[in-house]
Amino acid sequence: EAGVTQFPSHSVIEKGQTVTLRCDPISGHDNLYWYRRVMGKEIKFLLHFVKESKQDESGMPNNRFLAERTGGTYSTLKVQPAELEDSGVYFCASSREQSGLQTYGYTFGSGTRLTVV
Amino acid sequence: LAKTTQPISMDSYEGQEVNITCSHNNIATNDYITWYQQFPSQGPRFIIQGYKTKVTNEVASLFIPADRKSSTLSLPRVSLSDTAVYYCLVGDIGSSASKIIFGSGTRLSIRP
Repeated sequence: EAGVTQFPSHSVIEKGQTVTLRCDPISGHDNLYWYRRVMGKEIKFLLHFVKESKQDESGMPNNRFLAERTGGTYSTLKVQPAELEDSGVYFCASSREQSGLQTYGYTFGSGTRLTVV
Repeated sequence: LAKTTQPISMDSYEGQEVNITCSHNNIATNDYITWYQQFPSQGPRFIIQGYKTKVTNEVASLFIPADRKSSTLSLPRVSLSDTAVYYCLVGDIGSSASKIIFGSGTRLSIRP
């Protein structure tokens, strides 16, 4: 099966601009997650979709971040306006089960490296 | 979720067996131990999961002592392509995603 696809792989934008990241999960995976790693820090959870509904968005840092998953297929994560501290790698993952710790759990994409200058 | 402690980094050579130990003193009865591998410029990838004793698959072995307060990921005969960051995760398999903590991981470097 095709893996989780993220686009773009890299993005460099100026502070104050808007960027939209896209994630295409594995077909049939109802659960979609966004994570990010800010430079030098750990991978942190952002939010979890079950189909088109937000199951848990407790990790979203502030209201400059907006995630959508219309139709329960691909998802977008928009950052508007971007700040310097938003730089990092944004990972998307999907799974069949809601728990990522079940065997084989998450399948991650390769991430989008966002640089805000 | 149980907090885990791993070495920040390890070095080894091709053909050697590498053992990465993870401490999880506060592991709960329902918690499983899961290891992920992350190559540069890629997302984490599931390697192995276990509850107790020993689990082996085509990639690695996972050794868990009786008290389950630690676990050891064993990579047999490593190659350069095993250079990656390895994460030990501990938690109930029913845990919500927001409670899964990746931690800092162990950066494994394999040399020729």
